[in-house]
Amino acid sequence: AQSVTQLDSQVPVFEEAPVELRCNYSSSVSVYLFWYVQYPNQGLQLLLKYLSGSTLVKGINGFEAEFNKSQTSFHLRKPSVHISDTAEYFCAVSGVDRGSTLGRLYFGRGTQLTVWP
Amino acid sequence: DAGVIQSPRHEVTEMGQEVTLRCKPISGHDYLFWYRQTMMRGLELLIYFNNNVPIDDSGMPEDRFSAKMPNASFSTLKIQPSEPRDSAVYFCASSIGLGPYGYTFGSGTRLTVV
Repeated sequence: AQSVTQLDSQVPVFEEAPVELRCNYSSSVSVYLFWYVQYPNQGLQLLLKYLSGSTLVKGINGFEAEFNKSQTSFHLRKPSVHISDTAEYFCAVSGVDRGSTLGRLYFGRGTQLTVWP
Repeated sequence: DAGVIQSPRHEVTEMGQEVTLRCKPISGHDYLFWYRQTMMRGLELLIYFNNNVPIDDSGMPEDRFSAKMPNASFSTLKIQPSEPRDSAVYFCASSIGLGPYGYTFGSGTRLTVV
C-alpha cells in the first residue's frame, strides 16, 4: 500500500505571501500524484495532478506543484496567496506495481492553510 | 453533469437508531468510494465498489456498518445501531477508474449521533 505524508498540519500565512505545502509519498514503480482542496463544509475538489511528462504541473487558482522522483515529493506552491485560498489541502497518490496493477488513491492527513489579511 | 449527489446533507439521530446515507455517482463512473472524515482520524476509506461489486471493505469499522450498491446509479451506507462515535462527515466519491483517474467527491453528509 502507498503512504502519503503531509509534513505540516497547519500553515498560517499572510495575504500576498508565497506558500509551499509539502507532500512526500512512499515510492512505487510509478505513481500518479494529486492535490485536492476542501473549502469549509464542502467536498474535496481536484486542484491539479501529475500523470507523466513535465515535472512542473499547473492547476487552478494559480497553484502549481513539482514532482521530484528522487526525493519522492510533490510539493504544492503558490507565489501569492489570497484570503480565499484558506482551505484544507490534501495530497494523494496512486501507484502502479510491477504487475502493472493500478491502485486506488491514498490520501495524506491534510494541511490547513489559513491566509490572514 | 450534476456531479456526485449525496443525501441528506445533514442528519441528526439518537443513539441506537438506524441511519442510511445515500449516494448517486456520476453516470459512467465504474468505481464508487465511501469515506469518513473526522478531526481525529482524518479521511478514511470505508469501502469501494467496482461495477457494483464491493472490492475492499477492510475500512468498515465494524458490523454495525454496511454498504450496498444495487445498481450503477445508487449506493447506500447504513449504520445500525448508530453510536455517538459515528458522528463524522461521510463522503461518497466516484471515478472512471483507478490509477491516473482522480475521484469526484460529493458534498458529504454530516452525521451527528446524540
